[in-house]
Amino acid sequence: EPEVTQTPSHQVTQMGQEVILRCVPISNHLYFYWYRQILGQKVEFLVSFYNNEISEKSEIFDDQFSVERPDGSNFTLKIRSTKLEDSAMYFCASSGWSGQGQETQYFGPGTRLLVL
Amino acid sequence: GNSVTQMEGPVTLSEEAFLTINCTYTATGYPSLFWYVQYPGEGLQLLLKATKADDKGSNKGFEATYRKETTSFHLEKGSVQVSDSAVYFCALSGNQGGKLIFGQGTELSVKP
Repeated sequence: EPEVTQTPSHQVTQMGQEVILRCVPISNHLYFYWYRQILGQKVEFLVSFYNNEISEKSEIFDDQFSVERPDGSNFTLKIRSTKLEDSAMYFCASSGWSGQGQETQYFGPGTRLLVL
Repeated sequence: GNSVTQMEGPVTLSEEAFLTINCTYTATGYPSLFWYVQYPGEGLQLLLKATKADDKGSNKGFEATYRKETTSFHLEKGSVQVSDSAVYFCALSGNQGGKLIFGQGTELSVKP
């Protein structure tokens, strides 16, 4: 069964460093998302991406964040200068399109980011 | 704006007990409703969904009915197993898809 994959599974970084989180969505999907989950809190939407551009972003997704689909398979989230409060589990998700709208979102296993 | 509220956890049950996890929502229009499950150390998996009023989603013995009159989507299972121990998230999206808005999650622990 197709699945969303994410790398790395864990990343530890120093405050102020740049990190890139990588995702490979399901191959025929058109809509891509990043969410994050701070430990013990709810899953929060960060950004959605369709047709090679951001379709929606949350207040969390400020100028320190960017997303890119550099080729036909990868979808990346970059944090330019990490802060302590960026420590969280980051989930990638993707969905396809049916004749009636977007289909169910499928999630990757997540990347746990720890900023020291 | 749209929001989802779930009952507080953790919920601790004995094996074969009946489970209800309450979920209510606030939304404009006609959202789609979902339950996702997160097993320890894993990502989010879709458990079930419903896309219009009075629809019942079901999977692995779990059920939830989309109740527009009470803006609810409560998760139920008649007889839980130890393997059902996980965190359960209620979520909504627009009826054409788009971002998911999650509740705070409810941790379920099932004891043998």
